[in-house]
Amino acid sequence: QLQLQESGPGLVKPSETLSLTCTVSGGSISSTNYYWGWIRQPPGKGLEWIGSFYSSGSTYYNSSLKSRVTISVDTSKNQFSLRLSSVTAADTAVYYCARPWTNIWGQGTMVTVSS
Amino acid sequence: SSELTQDPAVSVALGQTVRITCQGDSLRNYYTSWYQQKPGQAPVLVIYGKNNRPSGIPDRFSGSSSGTTASLTITGAQAEDEADYYCNSRDSSGNHVLFGGGTKVTVL
Repeated sequence: QLQLQESGPGLVKPSETLSLTCTVSGGSISSTNYYWGWIRQPPGKGLEWIGSFYSSGSTYYNSSLKSRVTISVDTSKNQFSLRLSSVTAADTAVYYCARPWTNIWGQGTMVTVSS
Repeated sequence: SSELTQDPAVSVALGQTVRITCQGDSLRNYYTSWYQQKPGQAPVLVIYGKNNRPSGIPDRFSGSSSGTTASLTITGAQAEDEADYYCNSRDSSGNHVLFGGGTKVTVL
């Protein structure tokens, strides 16, 4: 059973870089050309796609965040990561790693941007 | 197109039927998934593909699509169905993920 788990700091200062890691268990992140990604949800608001990648290597980002986002993959650790630079309070949200369009999601991790 | 549009809220009497819609140009070419989200919980997939339910999802949930509109129907709504529902698909390129703004379903 494929499972995803987010990890990273729960508090980030404004203007700094938010970094999160998603650890995949129960299967290899590179064994099939699956589509993986990050999704966030600000408090009281809807779901927002941040970016995704195919196991084969192509990466895609939400155009509204593209200038600040980097998604990277470490197949040796079966993990993928999110970096979001120059954060502001508007980036405060629950961050999920997931396989979009499926029922394979992490439980989510709350990240607050505050000094 | 890069948007999916949902009505913000809908209410349904206990045991009655409610349809939630999602509109977007790209839905003409791609399937829509539907997620249910209750407060403080991660989204749960209730419909995917043409009209498929993951294991454990009651058969009162069904999906359909026509042109640029996808629909989620709850037939015989129960109190536990009160939640936010999000549609989820792709943009016209097929590589970007789209979410609707969500529909809050209230069971009266």
